[in-house]
Amino acid sequence: LAKTTQPISMDSYEGQEVNITCSHNNIATNDYITWYQQFPSQGPRFIIQGYKTKVTNEVASLFIPADRKSSTLSLPRVSLSDTAVYYCLVGDNTGRRALTFGSGTRLQVQP
Amino acid sequence: DTGVSQDPRHKITKRGQNVTFRCDPISEHNRLYWYRQTLGQGPEFLTYFQNEAQLEKSRLLSDRFSAERPKGSFSTLEIQRTEQGDSAMYLCASSRTGTPIDEQFFGPGTRLTVL
Repeated sequence: LAKTTQPISMDSYEGQEVNITCSHNNIATNDYITWYQQFPSQGPRFIIQGYKTKVTNEVASLFIPADRKSSTLSLPRVSLSDTAVYYCLVGDNTGRRALTFGSGTRLQVQP
Repeated sequence: DTGVSQDPRHKITKRGQNVTFRCDPISEHNRLYWYRQTLGQGPEFLTYFQNEAQLEKSRLLSDRFSAERPKGSFSTLEIQRTEQGDSAMYLCASSRTGTPIDEQFFGPGTRLTVL
């Protein structure tokens, strides 16, 4: 499975856009990029998944360059409730493999 | 449908005791996963079922750990002769085959403390 590297922590203020970048240099051709969010004492929650270019949903956008060796999760206008750990995962999307989580990025949003 | 549920939410036990956790997945989900998470780390995969078949087990799953999903619905995870190193959050997740996006839905977890 492709290894991912992301910043350990980030700080932001309410109303700002937050971009979290993940490196996955060894991504395979059939791998997708998926981001999960986790609040303290809760299980992770799916945010977004993409293969290439740009994917947008009601929560976030995911930007993937042509070489797919990195990806950026973009959270528009964060609020205090976006304070959480964000995990970048890379793998096929068949569900036949369990998810491989790294240590994630701890985002702290200040008022 | 209220999502994935886990029971109990918290368990405190003494070293050497056996514990059993239950997970009820989302009803139409045929895949079920167990993960373990320690403080400051991401979840680590333990085992995975498709329907009632246990298809994959992590090397983390020592012989003291056993998981079942007898009717392809709820699952149980048992830890025998608990050790202090077993203290962690045990997470269950479920998903459904045949969807364009592989999204796993996680339960709230069972926090185990071994004294």
